[in-house]
Amino acid sequence: EDQVTQSPEALRLQEGESSSLNCSYTVSGLRGLFWYRQDPGKGPEFLFTLYSAGEEKEKERLKATLTKKESFLHITAPKPEDSATYLCAVRATSGTYKYIFGTGTRLKVLA
Amino acid sequence: NAGVTQTPKFQVLKTGQSMTLQCAQDMNHEYMSWYRQDPGMGLRLIHYSVGAGITDQGEVPNGYNVSRSTTEDFPLRLLSAAPSQTSVYFCASSYQGGGGNTIYFGEGSWLTVV
Repeated sequence: EDQVTQSPEALRLQEGESSSLNCSYTVSGLRGLFWYRQDPGKGPEFLFTLYSAGEEKEKERLKATLTKKESFLHITAPKPEDSATYLCAVRATSGTYKYIFGTGTRLKVLA
Repeated sequence: NAGVTQTPKFQVLKTGQSMTLQCAQDMNHEYMSWYRQDPGMGLRLIHYSVGAGITDQGEVPNGYNVSRSTTEDFPLRLLSAAPSQTSVYFCASSYQGGGGNTIYFGEGSWLTVV
């Protein structure tokens, strides 16, 4: 069964304290892996799409990487405004149009 | 460019009432979908559509109806609201060609059924 697991569920960091969020996935074949940021009371905001193992993408303090079993979202020198829930999703190549979402990591960055 | 637009933002319903959540996108995306988001359960797919006139069920379709008469619009109908349908609902859309299958979300509709 296709599955996405994110860890940790919640993470508290001091401003400037770098860390990584994990997204482990099990799919029959990967069509794409997606990272989103979600602020309270808002819809998920697209961050990155990764398609193949070894691929990396960066945006400001965020860097996403992909292996055959997991993806990491690295946050370098975070700021309080990076506080949000980060969601990971995958889409399989199994012929369906289903995107499978993890339950997210709630990140709090303290000033 | 508005992206994905959902209305209403907030709604309170009584058990047994029906209503429609509206969703429109202006990106000419073939794929549109509805998700519900509940604490601890992540985003779950309700229904989706890959083009006008084509719809299919997702993971949690019971109690919901959809139709897709145009590329732009994908309304979600609650037939007879139940307290279990209290949730946040998100509409999403994407292209379905080549690598362009990133989905983009609306701002959400908060529904409370009392």
